[in-house]
Amino acid sequence: EVQLVESGGGLVQPGGSLRLSCAASGFTFISYAMSWVRQAPGKGLDWVSSISGSGDTTYYADSVKGRFTISRDNSKHTLYLQMNSLRAEDTAVYYCAKPLFGSSYDAFHIWGQGTMVTVSS
Amino acid sequence: QSVLTQPPSVSGAPGQRVTISCTGSSSNIGAGYDVQWYQQLPGTAPKLLIYGNSNRPSGVPDRFSGSKSGTSASLAITGLQAEDEAAYYCQSYDSSLSGYVVFGGGTKLTVL
Repeated sequence: EVQLVESGGGLVQPGGSLRLSCAASGFTFISYAMSWVRQAPGKGLDWVSSISGSGDTTYYADSVKGRFTISRDNSKHTLYLQMNSLRAEDTAVYYCAKPLFGSSYDAFHIWGQGTMVTVSS
Repeated sequence: QSVLTQPPSVSGAPGQRVTISCTGSSSNIGAGYDVQWYQQLPGTAPKLLIYGNSNRPSGVPDRFSGSKSGTSASLAITGLQAEDEAAYYCQSYDSSLSGYVVFGGGTKLTVL
C-alpha cells in the first residue's frame, strides 16, 4: 500500500525554524517527484515546493523562496522541508504529495495526513 | 487572490447535476497545461478526482467528469449524493515567474 506519513510540525515563534519530514512507503521513491502543499486554517490549498526524483531540480512558490528548502533522502525514502524565518502566514497544515505518474508536472495522487505548523509568539 | 478562479459555493439537490467552473488565463490553462480536480472532505486530505483534464483515477465514480476549453475548465457531478458535500479544488500549472503549480480558491458544494 502506498503511504505518506508527515511529521515534524508544531508551535514555533516568528523567525524560528522547523524541519518537516515525509516518510514514504509502498512505491519506488526515487522514481517520483515529490511535493509539499499547505492549507492555512479555513483556507484553500497552496503549493509550496516540489523536487525531482533525483533531487537535483527544485521548485518553490515565491512566498517561500529563500526561506524554505526542499530535499530528499532516497536511501531513506524520506522527503524533507526545512523552514526558516517562519512567519505567522506560514501557519498551515503541510501535506506531502506523490504524483500519479512520476513527473513534476503531474497530478497529486497520494497525499499524507498532514502535519500542523503554527507560527505564533 | 488565487491564480485560478472558482465560485465560492454551489449547491444542488440529491440526484441533480452540478458544475463547478475554473477560470484561468493564457499563462496557465490557456497555455495548454492540464487541469486536475480534487475533493476534500472536512478534516481530511484532498483526494484526486480528475487528472489530465478529463481522466478519472481508479476508484472514482463516473458521476464525476471533467472538461477543458480555452482558458477554463469544469467539473461536473451527476446524480448528486449527500456524500459529495465537500470542497472542490482545480489545479494547473503556470508559466509565469510566480510559481509553477497553481490552485483555484476552492468551491464548497452543499447537497440540499
